[in-house]
Amino acid sequence: NAGVTQTPKFQVLKTGQSMTLQCAQDMNHNSMYWYRQDPGMGLRLIYYSASEGTTDKGEVPNGYNVSRLNKREFSLRLESAAPSQTSVYFCASSDHTNTGELFFGEGSRLTVL
Amino acid sequence: QKEVEQNSGPLSVPEGAIASLNCTYSDRGSQSFFWYRQYSGKSPELIMFIYSNGDKEDGRFTAQLNKASQYVSLLIRDSQPSDSATYLCAPRGGGGADGLTFGKGTHLIIQP
Repeated sequence: NAGVTQTPKFQVLKTGQSMTLQCAQDMNHNSMYWYRQDPGMGLRLIYYSASEGTTDKGEVPNGYNVSRLNKREFSLRLESAAPSQTSVYFCASSDHTNTGELFFGEGSRLTVL
Repeated sequence: QKEVEQNSGPLSVPEGAIASLNCTYSDRGSQSFFWYRQYSGKSPELIMFIYSNGDKEDGRFTAQLNKASQYVSLLIRDSQPSDSATYLCAPRGGGGADGLTFGKGTHLIIQP
């Protein structure tokens, strides 16, 4: 059981380049999330998807777009990367009708030069 | 706006002692609470979930919840060097799907 899988694990971009972070879960969860984690800032929610076909903004959505491709997959896109987007990105999923526990992927470390 | 406050630390505790981690939250609607542990360079993992006032024990870990004071704590007994990590508190709101709001975490160091 893989749980939540993120790709890529590491990426270096130049300012202005675009990229997509991929996330897939095999736990049949309805809800999926993208967080970023920066030193001293903790985990901050970027976007979430409560169910297939819906997406909503979290605390820090500017500069990002998301797609809930199907129940399993939730991608995060940076259209024009900026150095301020250098961070570790975590995808998570949950069965929010149960305890609401989040299951996290291993993270994607992104550096924007 | 949900707010979660934790002392960022580092909190240094001798091996074998009790480590006490604290968390306060602003949303009175929060019904349940999570404690996650995050090792350096790794993703957060759930270690405790509590939804009732009082104490919940799981092995060396005890979570304490006081909804009236909007306060939740985590005690780690017989602390081990392997407990050295950042501990994140996250209250859950009204049961919606809008994710968890995490505190910034407390960095715990267990000194051998």
